[in-house]
Amino acid sequence: SQQGEEDPQALSIQEGENATMNCSYKTSINNLQWYRQNSGRGLVHLILIRSNEREKHSGRLRVTLDTSKKSSSLLITASRAADTASYFCATDGAAGNKLTFGGGTRVLVKP
Amino acid sequence: KAGVTQTPRYLIKTRGQQVTLSCSPISGHRSVSWYQQTPGQGLQFLFEYFSETQRNKGNFPGRFSGRQFSNSRSEMNVSTLELGDSALYLCASSSGTNLDTQYFGPGTRLTVL
Repeated sequence: SQQGEEDPQALSIQEGENATMNCSYKTSINNLQWYRQNSGRGLVHLILIRSNEREKHSGRLRVTLDTSKKSSSLLITASRAADTASYFCATDGAAGNKLTFGGGTRVLVKP
Repeated sequence: KAGVTQTPRYLIKTRGQQVTLSCSPISGHRSVSWYQQTPGQGLQFLFEYFSETQRNKGNFPGRFSGRQFSNSRSEMNVSTLELGDSALYLCASSSGTNLDTQYFGPGTRLTVL
């Protein structure tokens, strides 16, 4: 079963625009991670935010975490065609390294 | 450091057969987790091995099994294949602590005919 829901399921934007996607989860977590997947390939790790952190930046990526609302958001600024991919959030709880994934957001960046 | 490697990358089998997939983690990582990705169910956790012991298990039938060797390489086996086992199988490696990033391999695309 999936812990999280991602919103929107799909997003289409022009190159240079910002893309924002949201993730909600159900149980308490230790960390929340965001991954990117291109066309059915492996998952590329983007960023990890710990449960005691509220915001984290990495290059053009900004992630926020609101544990009271059990939600996170990923913002990609100044998007590029190469950002076209599916983006997944994943949470881990008390049970070691078991990640529970959301359904993903498909992002299309049009040149 | 070399990344996570998975072999084979593509596999075609017929119903009833069995299959073994292999995963080599990043050097120094002791945890290997396996995930199944399908269009209908998304990404689902199969199991995790740490220091040759299964530490976590998802909700998959007993036809799905795995093991880990002393060099941390892991294999997963699916017996009596069903059409619904067609999926992308991903393995992830990490140091093993629950505060650590999991790094994924490119996956093995299994098609069951």
